[in-house]
Amino acid sequence: GAVVSQHPSWVICKSGTSVKIECRSLDFQATTMFWYRQFPKQSLMLMATSNEGSKATYEQGVEKDKFLINHASLTLSTLTVTSAHPEDSSFYICSPLDAYTQYFGPGTRLTVL
Amino acid sequence: QKEVEQNSGPLSVPEGAIASLNCTYSDRGSQSFFWYRQYSGKSPELIMFIYSNGDKEDGRFTAQLNKASQYVSLLIRDSQPSDSATYLCAAGSGNTGKLIFGQGTTLQVKP
Repeated sequence: GAVVSQHPSWVICKSGTSVKIECRSLDFQATTMFWYRQFPKQSLMLMATSNEGSKATYEQGVEKDKFLINHASLTLSTLTVTSAHPEDSSFYICSPLDAYTQYFGPGTRLTVL
Repeated sequence: QKEVEQNSGPLSVPEGAIASLNCTYSDRGSQSFFWYRQYSGKSPELIMFIYSNGDKEDGRFTAQLNKASQYVSLLIRDSQPSDSATYLCAAGSGNTGKLIFGQGTTLQVKP
């Protein structure tokens, strides 16, 4: 299967700070990247879809000014959680698309104090 | 509203038995279907995908698709305790690669 990395794997930050999460597809080029969020014991929630070189498309209820997505290259996408608050604490997972198959990164666990 | 439905479980089977996980979907336009396994605290990993009606086998795993009934299943033969996880069924939506996920079925394989 495809190899996807995510960094950092976990992060703890103070309320009001910004956190950047990087996602890399290591052995394929991903034109499309999906970003998910998962709260404990809940299913995946799609946050946004980004295509390389274009602005991301956000799902209903997801604030685009709070969750900044950059997909500047075919192997790197970033998600920045701006002015994080405790309710943003979650498991964030990127998912690049290879052909018509989504592969998932290992996830980033964000805890906002 | 496009939906994918799964029984949340838990589904409990003894070691060595066949585990049968089921999923239904509402969008008749879906053409691709995926099964992911997610261990607690980890991200999902792809087990299988299936596009055509019928069965698709890969090792101990068999995916089954019935488009007329809008039904997808995953059979795990010779279940092992290490198979204990949440299994997510997903249906492709349109041609964007976007997936609609079910809530997941928790499988417990007891030694």
